[in-house]
Amino acid sequence: AQTVTQSQPEMSVQEAETVTLSCTYDTSENNYYLFWYKQPPSRQMILVIRQEAYKQQNATENRFSVNFQKAAKSFSLKISDSQLGDTAMYFCAFMKPTVGNQFYFGTGTSLTVIP
Amino acid sequence: GAVVSQHPSWVICKSGTSVKIECRSLDFQATTMFWYRQFPKQSLMLMATSNEGSKATYEQGVEKDKFLINHASLTLSTLTVTSAHPEDSSFYICSARGTGQLTKYFGPGTRLTVT
Repeated sequence: AQTVTQSQPEMSVQEAETVTLSCTYDTSENNYYLFWYKQPPSRQMILVIRQEAYKQQNATENRFSVNFQKAAKSFSLKISDSQLGDTAMYFCAFMKPTVGNQFYFGTGTSLTVIP
Repeated sequence: GAVVSQHPSWVICKSGTSVKIECRSLDFQATTMFWYRQFPKQSLMLMATSNEGSKATYEQGVEKDKFLINHASLTLSTLTVTSAHPEDSSFYICSARGTGQLTKYFGPGTRLTVT
Protein backbone atom coordinates (compact mmCIF):
# COMPACT_ATOMS: atom_id res chain seq x y z
CA ALA A 1 0.00 0.00 0.00
CA GLN A 2 1.08 3.53 -0.62
CA THR A 3 1.74 5.83 2.31
CA VAL A 4 1.61 9.59 2.35
CA THR A 5 3.28 11.53 5.14
CA GLN A 6 2.69 15.12 6.13
CA SER A 7 5.09 15.82 8.95
CA GLN A 8 3.75 19.25 9.90
CA PRO A 9 0.44 18.94 11.77
CA GLU A 10 0.14 22.71 12.20
CA MET A 11 1.74 25.73 10.60
CA SER A 12 1.21 29.45 10.60
CA VAL A 13 2.29 32.25 8.31
CA GLN A 14 1.95 36.00 8.27
CA GLU A 15 -0.34 37.45 5.66
CA ALA A 16 1.51 38.21 2.41
CA GLU A 17 4.38 35.92 3.34
CA THR A 18 5.34 32.61 1.76
CA VAL A 19 4.90 29.20 3.35
CA THR A 20 5.85 25.69 2.28
CA LEU A 21 3.97 22.58 3.32
CA SER A 22 5.81 19.30 3.06
CA CYS A 23 4.63 15.93 1.82
CA THR A 24 6.50 12.71 1.23
CA TYR A 25 5.18 9.44 -0.09
CA ASP A 26 6.28 5.89 -0.46
CA THR A 27 5.66 3.94 -3.64
CA SER A 28 7.31 1.54 -6.03
CA GLU A 29 5.23 2.82 -8.91
CA ASN A 30 6.66 4.91 -11.71
CA ASN A 31 3.43 6.33 -13.05
CA TYR A 32 1.21 8.14 -10.57
CA TYR A 33 -0.42 11.44 -9.72
CA LEU A 34 -0.11 13.75 -6.77
CA PHE A 35 -2.60 16.26 -5.50
CA TRP A 36 -2.97 18.96 -2.91
CA TYR A 37 -6.46 19.54 -1.59
CA LYS A 38 -7.56 22.34 0.69
CA GLN A 39 -10.30 21.95 3.30
CA PRO A 40 -11.34 25.31 4.76
CA PRO A 41 -13.55 25.63 7.85
CA SER A 42 -16.57 25.01 5.63
CA ARG A 43 -15.21 21.42 5.26
CA GLN A 44 -15.54 21.55 1.45
CA MET A 45 -12.57 19.81 -0.14
CA ILE A 46 -11.13 21.94 -2.92
CA LEU A 47 -8.50 20.88 -5.41
CA VAL A 48 -5.49 23.16 -5.21
CA ILE A 49 -3.03 21.64 -7.63
CA ARG A 50 -2.19 18.42 -9.43
CA GLN A 51 1.13 16.96 -10.59
CA GLU A 52 1.69 14.11 -13.00
CA ALA A 53 4.74 12.03 -12.06
CA TYR A 54 5.88 11.78 -15.67
CA LYS A 55 6.18 15.55 -15.91
CA GLN A 56 9.45 17.04 -14.76
CA GLN A 57 8.08 20.57 -14.71
CA ASN A 58 6.58 21.62 -11.40
CA ALA A 59 2.91 22.48 -11.52
CA THR A 60 1.79 26.01 -10.70
CA GLU A 61 -1.62 27.56 -10.14
CA ASN A 62 -1.42 31.28 -9.50
CA ARG A 63 -0.01 31.68 -5.98
CA PHE A 64 0.33 27.93 -5.49
CA SER A 65 3.26 25.92 -6.77
CA VAL A 66 4.81 22.59 -6.01
CA ASN A 67 8.34 21.31 -5.67
CA PHE A 68 8.15 17.77 -7.01
CA GLN A 69 11.25 15.70 -6.37
CA LYS A 70 10.49 12.27 -7.81
CA ALA A 71 13.69 10.57 -6.70
CA ALA A 72 13.24 11.83 -3.17
CA LYS A 73 9.49 11.08 -3.30
CA SER A 74 8.75 14.56 -2.10
CA PHE A 75 5.89 16.84 -3.11
CA SER A 76 5.84 20.14 -1.23
CA LEU A 77 3.34 22.94 -1.71
CA LYS A 78 4.44 26.56 -1.71
CA ILE A 79 1.88 29.27 -1.10
CA SER A 80 3.07 32.73 -2.03
CA ASP A 81 1.55 36.02 -0.86
CA SER A 82 -0.54 34.17 1.72
CA GLN A 83 -4.07 35.42 2.17
CA LEU A 84 -6.48 35.04 5.07
CA GLY A 85 -8.63 32.81 2.88
CA ASP A 86 -5.78 30.33 2.66
CA THR A 87 -6.44 29.33 6.27
CA ALA A 88 -7.44 25.67 5.99
CA MET A 89 -6.39 22.06 6.35
CA TYR A 90 -4.23 20.97 3.46
CA PHE A 91 -4.13 17.35 2.42
CA CYS A 92 -1.59 15.78 0.14
CA ALA A 93 -2.87 12.83 -1.89
CA PHE A 94 -1.30 10.11 -4.01
CA MET A 95 -3.11 8.30 -6.78
CA LYS A 96 -2.04 5.30 -8.79
CA PRO A 97 -3.90 5.14 -12.11
CA THR A 98 -5.35 1.66 -11.87
CA VAL A 99 -8.88 0.33 -11.72
CA GLY A 100 -10.60 2.38 -9.06
CA ASN A 101 -7.96 5.12 -9.02
CA GLN A 102 -7.82 5.04 -5.26
CA PHE A 103 -6.51 8.08 -3.45
CA TYR A 104 -4.20 7.84 -0.48
CA PHE A 105 -4.40 10.91 1.72
CA GLY A 106 -1.88 12.27 4.16
CA THR A 107 -2.91 13.24 7.66
CA GLY A 108 -3.14 16.90 6.79
CA THR A 109 -1.49 20.16 7.79
CA SER A 110 -3.53 22.85 9.46
CA LEU A 111 -2.42 26.22 8.10
CA THR A 112 -3.33 29.48 9.79
CA VAL A 113 -2.69 32.77 8.05
CA ILE A 114 -2.15 35.51 10.61
CA PRO A 115 -3.30 39.03 9.74
CA GLY B 1 -14.54 22.93 -12.16
CA ALA B 2 -16.94 20.07 -11.68
CA VAL B 3 -19.53 20.45 -8.93
CA VAL B 4 -20.68 17.80 -6.50
CA SER B 5 -23.50 18.39 -4.07
CA GLN B 6 -24.58 16.54 -0.96
CA HIS B 7 -27.86 16.53 0.84
CA PRO B 8 -28.51 17.03 3.65
CA SER B 9 -25.61 19.09 4.94
CA TRP B 10 -26.49 18.25 8.52
CA VAL B 11 -28.77 15.62 9.96
CA ILE B 12 -29.66 14.57 13.48
CA CYS B 13 -31.31 11.21 14.00
CA LYS B 14 -32.23 9.01 16.90
CA SER B 15 -30.34 5.85 17.69
CA GLY B 16 -31.79 2.87 15.85
CA THR B 17 -33.15 4.81 12.91
CA SER B 18 -31.77 4.95 9.39
CA VAL B 19 -30.63 8.00 7.49
CA LYS B 20 -29.93 8.50 3.81
CA ILE B 21 -27.34 10.88 2.38
CA GLU B 22 -27.42 11.86 -1.28
CA CYS B 23 -24.48 12.76 -3.46
CA ARG B 24 -25.01 14.30 -6.87
CA SER B 25 -22.68 15.33 -9.66
CA LEU B 26 -24.26 18.47 -11.08
CA ASP B 27 -22.40 19.09 -14.32
CA PHE B 28 -20.75 15.84 -15.24
CA GLN B 29 -21.46 12.14 -15.33
CA ALA B 30 -19.87 10.41 -12.39
CA THR B 31 -18.96 6.89 -13.39
CA THR B 32 -17.30 6.35 -10.04
CA MET B 33 -18.27 7.74 -6.67
CA PHE B 34 -16.46 7.42 -3.39
CA TRP B 35 -17.67 7.72 0.18
CA TYR B 36 -15.40 8.93 2.95
CA ARG B 37 -15.73 9.39 6.64
CA GLN B 38 -13.82 12.08 8.50
CA PHE B 39 -13.40 12.42 12.24
CA PRO B 40 -12.55 15.82 13.73
CA LYS B 41 -9.10 17.04 12.82
CA GLN B 42 -8.30 13.81 11.01
CA SER B 43 -7.82 12.78 7.43
CA LEU B 44 -10.42 11.23 5.18
CA MET B 45 -11.02 7.53 5.52
CA LEU B 46 -12.30 5.80 2.40
CA MET B 47 -15.35 3.70 3.15
CA ALA B 48 -16.35 2.43 -0.27
CA THR B 49 -16.11 2.91 -4.00
CA SER B 50 -19.09 2.55 -6.28
CA ASN B 51 -19.37 2.36 -10.03
CA GLU B 52 -22.64 3.21 -11.71
CA GLY B 53 -24.84 0.16 -11.97
CA SER B 54 -22.54 -2.07 -9.94
CA LYS B 55 -22.28 -3.11 -6.33
CA ALA B 56 -20.06 -0.98 -4.16
CA THR B 57 -16.64 -2.16 -3.10
CA TYR B 58 -16.15 -1.66 0.62
CA GLU B 59 -12.87 -1.07 2.39
CA GLN B 60 -11.73 -3.51 5.00
CA GLY B 61 -13.49 -2.99 8.28
CA VAL B 62 -16.49 -1.17 6.83
CA GLU B 63 -19.76 -3.00 7.39
CA LYS B 64 -21.56 -3.20 4.08
CA ASP B 65 -24.87 -4.11 5.72
CA LYS B 66 -24.69 -1.04 7.89
CA PHE B 67 -23.54 1.42 5.26
CA LEU B 68 -25.66 0.75 2.20
CA ILE B 69 -24.43 2.40 -0.97
CA ASN B 70 -26.43 2.72 -4.15
CA HIS B 71 -25.13 4.24 -7.37
CA ALA B 72 -28.13 3.82 -9.63
CA SER B 73 -27.42 6.63 -12.06
CA LEU B 74 -24.48 8.55 -13.45
CA THR B 75 -25.34 11.56 -11.33
CA LEU B 76 -26.55 10.13 -8.04
CA SER B 77 -25.16 7.95 -5.30
CA THR B 78 -26.70 7.41 -1.90
CA LEU B 79 -25.30 6.28 1.42
CA THR B 80 -27.77 4.88 3.92
CA VAL B 81 -26.63 4.44 7.49
CA THR B 82 -28.88 1.74 8.88
CA SER B 83 -29.74 1.33 12.54
CA ALA B 84 -27.55 4.28 13.41
CA HIS B 85 -25.72 4.43 16.71
CA PRO B 86 -23.96 7.35 18.39
CA GLU B 87 -20.59 6.01 17.26
CA ASP B 88 -21.73 6.53 13.67
CA SER B 89 -21.77 10.25 14.31
CA SER B 90 -19.23 11.74 11.94
CA PHE B 91 -18.68 13.85 8.86
CA TYR B 92 -19.40 11.96 5.65
CA ILE B 93 -17.97 13.19 2.37
CA CYS B 94 -18.62 11.92 -1.12
CA SER B 95 -16.48 12.46 -4.16
CA ALA B 96 -17.04 11.74 -7.81
CA ARG B 97 -14.99 11.11 -10.89
CA GLY B 98 -16.10 11.06 -14.49
CA THR B 99 -14.99 8.79 -17.29
CA GLY B 100 -11.39 9.53 -18.18
CA GLN B 101 -11.01 11.97 -15.31
CA LEU B 102 -8.18 11.62 -12.87
CA THR B 103 -9.21 14.29 -10.41
CA LYS B 104 -11.83 13.58 -7.80
CA TYR B 105 -14.31 16.31 -7.01
CA PHE B 106 -15.70 16.43 -3.54
CA GLY B 107 -19.07 17.25 -2.12
CA PRO B 108 -19.42 19.68 0.79
CA GLY B 109 -19.98 16.87 3.28
CA THR B 110 -22.77 15.82 5.61
CA ARG B 111 -22.54 16.05 9.35
CA LEU B 112 -24.40 13.17 10.98
CA THR B 113 -25.26 13.31 14.67
CA VAL B 114 -26.90 10.29 16.23
CA THR B 115 -28.53 10.90 19.59
